[in-house]
Amino acid sequence: DIQMTQSPSSLSASVGDRVTITCRASQSISNYLNWYQQKPGEAPKLLISAASSLQSGVPSRFGGSGSGTDFTLTISSLQPEDFATYYCHQTYSTPPWAFGQGTKVEIK
Amino acid sequence: EVNLLESGGGLVQPGGSLRLSCAASGFTFNKYAMSWVRQAPGKGLEWVSGMSGRGDNTHYADSVRGRFTISRDNSKNTLYLQMNSLRAEDTAVYYCAKEARAVAAPIDYWGQGTLVTVSS
Repeated sequence: DIQMTQSPSSLSASVGDRVTITCRASQSISNYLNWYQQKPGEAPKLLISAASSLQSGVPSRFGGSGSGTDFTLTISSLQPEDFATYYCHQTYSTPPWAFGQGTKVEIK
Repeated sequence: EVNLLESGGGLVQPGGSLRLSCAASGFTFNKYAMSWVRQAPGKGLEWVSGMSGRGDNTHYADSVRGRFTISRDNSKNTLYLQMNSLRAEDTAVYYCAKEARAVAAPIDYWGQGTLVTVSS
């Protein structure tokens, strides 16, 4: 099974900061990588699919890149509503499909 | 508007069984693969099981294979998860999730979740 290693597990940042979260797959997954945002008490929300495709309605400050084994989620200018936990999720080949461990973005 | 409404969660003793249901609306149910994803208290997301739109392909996480069974009734627009031989480590919020028909099959809609607590 493909394992996903997400880092960091948490980070503290200020409003306006540029934030980068990485996700590494244990083997190549092409671009079969999605990113989700989850706020406390809520279901996850899809931000980016296929490594870099921004979902409709998601602010352009969110961006995704990468292919193969290394992927990045970038928030170009952190806003108050962005404080949440972010997960990567690989869907390459047949399931089981693993999530990363999550990155909690907190206010500095 | 897509809506996924889970039900069936609750408190169950170790070794017991529970069946979760997910009533779907707002899309052509039989055209989409569906999944169950769970989240233990204070922990991350764990993909549990998935089923194709026609119900002819099923997949399970190693942690539940042989104990959980996913099924769907396309005439009722409902997804199910039969959970047997439950363990304390199965305690979690269980989300019903719709997979998009797109590259990387992202989960584009999630239910609100139903809490399953396995405890004596």
